[in-house]
Amino acid sequence: EVQLVESGGGLVQPGGSLRLSCAASGFTFSSYEMNWVRQAPGKGLEWVSYISSSGSTIYYADSVKGRFTISRDNAKNSLYLQMNSLRAEDTAVYYCARDLRLTTTIDYWGQGTLVTVSS
Amino acid sequence: QSVLTQPPSASGTPGQRVTISCSGSSSNIGSNTVNWYQQLPGTAPKLLIYSNNQRPSGVPDRFSGSKSGTSASLAISGLQSEDEADYYCAAWDDSLNGPGVVFGGGTKLTVL
Repeated sequence: EVQLVESGGGLVQPGGSLRLSCAASGFTFSSYEMNWVRQAPGKGLEWVSYISSSGSTIYYADSVKGRFTISRDNAKNSLYLQMNSLRAEDTAVYYCARDLRLTTTIDYWGQGTLVTVSS
Repeated sequence: QSVLTQPPSASGTPGQRVTISCSGSSSNIGSNTVNWYQQLPGTAPKLLIYSNNQRPSGVPDRFSGSKSGTSASLAISGLQSEDEADYYCAAWDDSLNGPGVVFGGGTKLTVL
């Protein structure tokens, strides 16, 4: 069974940093592209970042470019999101999400971790 | 403002057929496949339709998808109370500013 478990969310002050983690199990993590997607309270889904299976290709949404860094450790079956210079508008539930193999379709989502940016 | 445009709400009575539209552009729906997600209250999204009209294993055939040009639609037939949820369309966008996934703003489906 595919499982994606996020952790690392919490309350942080504006301008602060946070690192999210996603532990993957139930599939060969090193063979799959991964994403981070967020959802502000009461709002819709917003794609944040993509990383290829090897980590060699990375994309970011304009809203986080230069502030967030996606990475992965295939030996640890883990995905990460380093978030710096956090703003109030970054407040959201952050989902770790897997791509259907060799496509750009997100097929599995974690349960999400809440990040709140507030003073 | 979402890149893909969906109606904010839709409704129907049990047993009815409802459709939800999703409009995009040549850089997303016009050149890539469309996926649909269902999000029940308080839960993570679930893949409902992929590659325009394919259903993952376990998704009832009451759900169907289609695409034409730069628009797509999700149809739900034989509406049931458990279908009350938010529905999102999504597609890869080959924007020159930087590729990535784009979502619709979501449609809240109410079963009357």
